[in-house]
Amino acid sequence: QSALTQPPSASGSPGQSVTISCTGTSSDVGGYNYVSWYQQHPGKAPKLMIYEVSKRPSGVPDRFSGSKSGNTASLTVSGLQAEDEADYYCSSFAGSNNFVVFGGGTKLTVL
Amino acid sequence: QEQLVESGGGVVQPGRSLRLSCAASGFTFSSYAMHWVRQAPGKGLEWVAIISFDETHKYYADSVKGRFTISRDNSKNTLYLQMTSLRPEDTAVFYCVKDRGGYAYQSYGMDVWGQGTTVTVSS
Repeated sequence: QSALTQPPSASGSPGQSVTISCTGTSSDVGGYNYVSWYQQHPGKAPKLMIYEVSKRPSGVPDRFSGSKSGNTASLTVSGLQAEDEADYYCSSFAGSNNFVVFGGGTKLTVL
Repeated sequence: QEQLVESGGGVVQPGRSLRLSCAASGFTFSSYAMHWVRQAPGKGLEWVAIISFDETHKYYADSVKGRFTISRDNSKNTLYLQMTSLRPEDTAVFYCVKDRGGYAYQSYGMDVWGQGTTVTVSS
């Protein structure tokens, strides 16, 4: 069982928006602004999409955005495109005991 | 460009040891904290360990604490993971990952990932 809870699946049609949630506790998501999101296509290494809750690395389209409220972080993908179909994982710093915890992953399907 | 290349994976019997290596290039390796992250077949990501840029701070997941040791050689731009007392549940693809920060007081996000090396623990 993963430390952070994500829905196993999400879907949307091209051009639509979809939001993926990531629920933790006050010891991880709620306690620090160090939430990241990763995109992983089949057979590929993960790619950083969002860091520190809402910041985008250079090269990541602004269709990807992140936010947090209490113990729940969210990733929103706007203007869905076919290439967005992938697995998405959230992670959070969790203090010096657990350090980094991941969510179980969400499979995003573009219909 | 920034690149990480893992090596050292393979098939090993339960209880045996294995050392993974990760060669870094395209960035100042000695300035950044580094992680190992693993992914069991068909499963999600699991954080394994982190080491600060200067090796002063190291942290491990409970599942590997006391069995795995992370280290680095900044003169060789190389990260290591020494794995002992391997178990079948350690079977996974192991990724070498660069953190955006250096001190390992927290993780600022993992921005460069290697292609992974596969470890299979089986008799």
